[in-house]
Amino acid sequence: RKEVEQDPGPFNVPEGATVAFNCTYSNSASQSFFWYRQDCRKEPKLLMSVYSSGNEDGRFTAQLNRASQYISLLIRDSKLSDSATYLCVASDAGGTSYGKLTFGQGTILTVHP
Amino acid sequence: SAVISQKPSRDICQRGTSLTIQCQVDSQVTMMFWYRQQPGQSLTLIATANQGSEATYESGFVIDKFPISRPNLTFSTLTVSNMSPEDSSIYLCSGRTVEAFFGQGTRLTVV
Repeated sequence: RKEVEQDPGPFNVPEGATVAFNCTYSNSASQSFFWYRQDCRKEPKLLMSVYSSGNEDGRFTAQLNRASQYISLLIRDSKLSDSATYLCVASDAGGTSYGKLTFGQGTILTVHP
Repeated sequence: SAVISQKPSRDICQRGTSLTIQCQVDSQVTMMFWYRQQPGQSLTLIATANQGSEATYESGFVIDKFPISRPNLTFSTLTVSNMSPEDSSIYLCSGRTVEAFFGQGTRLTVV
């Protein structure tokens, strides 16, 4: 079983749609969670951190359910520029404050006109 | 966040040779990591680059194949040794404060 598991998609949605991505993690010791975005042939870039109380950044909302070991990302009012691969990431604490990151396989989103 | 400059951005190498990839961070970072990403797949952690000591390798990766240096808190290198076509991949370095940030990647093709 993968440590961080995502639905790989692809998700094909029209502009303006709302789309949700789900992610589960198997390591109950995971401490921090993130969503990264990766454009084709580019490096991953942080989209947002995921906090226990849930958090929102403009059109993006992230949720964390520690009991179910489940993370989600909601994108509202999709734009063409949202087309990318979205990576769910979990981090353990390790022996330092900032442990190693484990990446999910990514969910491909294509937003069409 | 900090910026990482990674080079080379791409290379085509003969099998049996070695390639060293360099990453320079514009500020000091505690943690640096090296990842591999196969086409269409997610990132796999190769090792944690420890400043002033030997790197910590993940299962399936060994020092003889992927020697890593980290002489200070702003610089690290990864060498891919005795390359074979199976080593063709994208290699990414990463620094971490709270979140992780990445170099631009090195696209390696072994022929």
